[in-house]
Formats: sequence, structure tokens, C-alpha cells
Amino acid sequence: DAGVIQSPRHEVTEMGQEVTLRCKPISGHNSLFWYRQTMMRGLELLIYFNNNVPIDDSGMPEDRFSAKMPNASFSTLKIQPSEPRDSAVYFCASSFRTGVGTDTQYFGPGTRLTVL
Amino acid sequence: GQQVMQIPQYQHVQEGEDFTTYCNSSTTLSNIQWYKQRPGGHPVFLIQLVKSGEVKKQKRLTFQFGEAKKNSSLHITATQTTDVGTYFCAGHTGTASKLTFGTGTRLQVTL
Repeated sequence: DAGVIQSPRHEVTEMGQEVTLRCKPISGHNSLFWYRQTMMRGLELLIYFNNNVPIDDSGMPEDRFSAKMPNASFSTLKIQPSEPRDSAVYFCASSFRTGVGTDTQYFGPGTRLTVL
Repeated sequence: GQQVMQIPQYQHVQEGEDFTTYCNSSTTLSNIQWYKQRPGGHPVFLIQLVKSGEVKKQKRLTFQFGEAKKNSSLHITATQTTDVGTYFCAGHTGTASKLTFGTGTRLQVTL
């Protein structure tokens, strides 16, 4: 089992540039989550999908952030334009939705984003 | 919105000492999960508790879910340097897939 795969692992970009983070969930999982982790704000849920459909995007900071899940094996998180305050580690996680609220999440290795 | 707080934020212990982190939710949870994140790593699932008052053990780790299903604790007996990391509790409410993560407790263990 390959686990959750994220790319790139590190991204350094300049303010104003577009950034795209990618995630491949574990095969067979039907829920996907995007988190952001910083020292100041901890681990924040940005958005999550069930069966490729966005369910809750209330954690998305602002319109500069967007996420898509075109199929069960791929998701992207895009930031456009990027700002220095977006610097963080972005995690993707996946789970199998049980329908009874006992889902266990499996996290990817994360993408460390630095916006200069 | 729902909040899950953990105390302490940080604890530094000598190897061999015990350690406890406490987790408190502003709302009743359907279950509680615990995750560990090593420095530079990603959160990894440790255990899930579902029943009110449930206690589970994993070697030197003891997990407890409160009677009211609003709080939980993780106790490590005789810490080792391999226990270093940040411990997060996380809870589901209802049947939703979404987990609300706690603020985390960072544990440092020195020889």
C-alpha cells in the first residue's frame, strides 16, 4: 500500500505566483481532506470531499484558495495569487467513509510551502 | 463552532518520567481519536475510543474517554525518547467524516 501521495514535497515561490498542490488518496478511500499546519494556528481543516464532492469548504481562507477533485484518485489545492502568509505545511488525508462517524484518516507526507 | 483544546501545549520530561495530555471538547463527541506527529512528519493514527468511559492500552500508552464524551486523556508511563512528538486528539460529531483536531501537545523527552 503506497499510502497517500503528495507532490511536490517542497515548494518555494514568490509572492503573486500561482501554486498547485497535488494529492493521490489511498485506493478505495472515498473521503479526502486538505489541512494546513502552522505554528501559530495549528492543524486547520481547509476543505473535504466525499465521493469527489466538496462537502465543507468553510475552512478555506479566502477566494485565493480553491480545491478540486476531478476523480477518486486525484485532488488539487490551488493558491492564486500566493502571499507570504500562506507559507505552511499542507497535508492531504484520506479515509474510508463508514457512515457512522468512525472514519480513520491517513495523512500524506505534506507539502512544505514557502512564499517569499 | 466546535473547539477541541488540549493541555498542556508543551511538556518537557526526563526519560522515565510519566506524561499526560488532556483533551476537552466544547461539544459532545461520537468518538475520539488520537494521532501522533513526529518532528518533521505527518499525523499518524494511534487509536480510537467510542464508548463513554472507555479505557484502552497500547503498551505504555493509556487512553481514556470521559463519561460525558467531551474529554479524553492520554497517559504515557515511563517515557522514552521515541515518544517525542506532538500528540493530537480529534473527534467526530454525529456521522460526518469530518474530524475536529485538538490544539496538540508537544512532548520533548531528554535523557
